[in-house]
Amino acid sequence: GAVVSQHPSWVICKSGTSVKIECRSLDFQATTMFWYRQFPKQSLMLMATSNEGSKATYEQGVEKDKFLINHASLTLSTLTVTSAHPEDSSFYICSASGLAGGYNTGELFFGEGSRLTVL
Amino acid sequence: AQSVSQHNHHVILSEAASLELGCNYSYGGTVNLFWYVQYPGQHLQLLLKYFSGDPLVKGIKGFEAEFIKSKFSFNLRKPSVQWSDTAEYFCAVISSASKIIFGSGTRLSIRP
Repeated sequence: GAVVSQHPSWVICKSGTSVKIECRSLDFQATTMFWYRQFPKQSLMLMATSNEGSKATYEQGVEKDKFLINHASLTLSTLTVTSAHPEDSSFYICSASGLAGGYNTGELFFGEGSRLTVL
Repeated sequence: AQSVSQHNHHVILSEAASLELGCNYSYGGTVNLFWYVQYPGQHLQLLLKYFSGDPLVKGIKGFEAEFIKSKFSFNLRKPSVQWSDTAEYFCAVISSASKIIFGSGTRLSIRP
């Protein structure tokens, strides 16, 4: 089946630094990628939707200048947490919606997630 | 606004018991419905999905779900659970533009 790879799995950084998380679709073209944040014992919260070659659409309450999303190719999207603070510590997950036979199947494939800890 | 409700936050069952997890959504148009599972320490995986056709959908590992349009529900069922079914289960809806909305999740614990 389709695979989405997320890197890094774990990252620890100092407050004020920026962290980049990569999300790659390994065997399919990801026309749309989604970034989520998951708090402990809670559901996934959609942060933004990105389509290849265009600007990301952010959900209400998500700071676009803080969470920079780039979807430059059909296989790679990146999330950069700029000037990270301890409250940004969380589990970030990406998912990709792919093409099969030219049609978007509507099914999502998830990355393994990236746990960010900001000291 | 679109929303997905999972009313059972934590379900504890013994092995071989039957399972039903509730999922209700609020959206009047055409929807695609999903159940995802997250085993401890692993990423989300698709259990089953409904796009159209037979409202009773069979998924992996013996799971099934029934889409009842009049009730805006898509409950997940399994006739006999196993210890390995211990996981977090998320119901999800895609309504338009591939935007997916997740429920808050139900933690399933199975007693050996």
